Amino acid sequence: GAVVSQHPSWVICKSGTSVKIECRSLDFQATTMFWYRQFPKQSLMLMATSNEGSKATYEQGVEKDKFLINHASLTLSTLTVTSAHPEDSSFYICSAPGGLLAGEGEQYFGPGTRLTVT
Amino acid sequence: GNSVTQMEGPVTLSEEAFLTINCTYTATGYPSLFWYVQYPGEGLQLLLKATKADDKGSNKGFEATYRKETTSFHLEKGSVQVSDSAVYFCALSDRNFNKFYFGSGTKLNVKP
Repeated sequence: GAVVSQHPSWVICKSGTSVKIECRSLDFQATTMFWYRQFPKQSLMLMATSNEGSKATYEQGVEKDKFLINHASLTLSTLTVTSAHPEDSSFYICSAPGGLLAGEGEQYFGPGTRLTVT
Repeated sequence: GNSVTQMEGPVTLSEEAFLTINCTYTATGYPSLFWYVQYPGEGLQLLLKATKADDKGSNKGFEATYRKETTSFHLEKGSVQVSDSAVYFCALSDRNFNKFYFGSGTKLNVKP
């Protein structure tokens, strides 16, 4: 079936540095991808919608200059956490609509990336 | 606004026990409702869904009925297996399936 991968699965970085997380659709094309953030024992919170060929759409309260999203191709979206701080430590998950491969409304989710900022 | 509330876990059951995980929602308009499952080390997978009131979603022995009058979408399974151990997320989406709102997840542990 359709698969979405994320890289890296776990990253530790120092405060003030930037970290890039990749989200790839492995056997289907995705003109739209979604980025979520999950705090421990809390819901997944939609951060932004990544659109191939155009700017990302950010949810209210999400700093677009801090969380840079680039949808480089029909199979790749990247999330860059700039000038990371400890409060950015979280679990980041991406998803993509399954399109013709999926039923109505089905999304395929990546396994997530654990970011720890020291 | 839209939100989903589901029971906190972890839920620990013996094999072949009956499972219920409660989920209630608040929404504007007419949302679609979903249950997603996340096995260790894997991404979320769609378990079942219902797109309108009174619809019943079912898959792999799991069922959930879209109850508009009680704004609920409780997940049930008559006889759980060890392989059902995972984290279960209740979610709703808008009519265009663009935005998903998730519950906090319920971890299920099934013991042999």
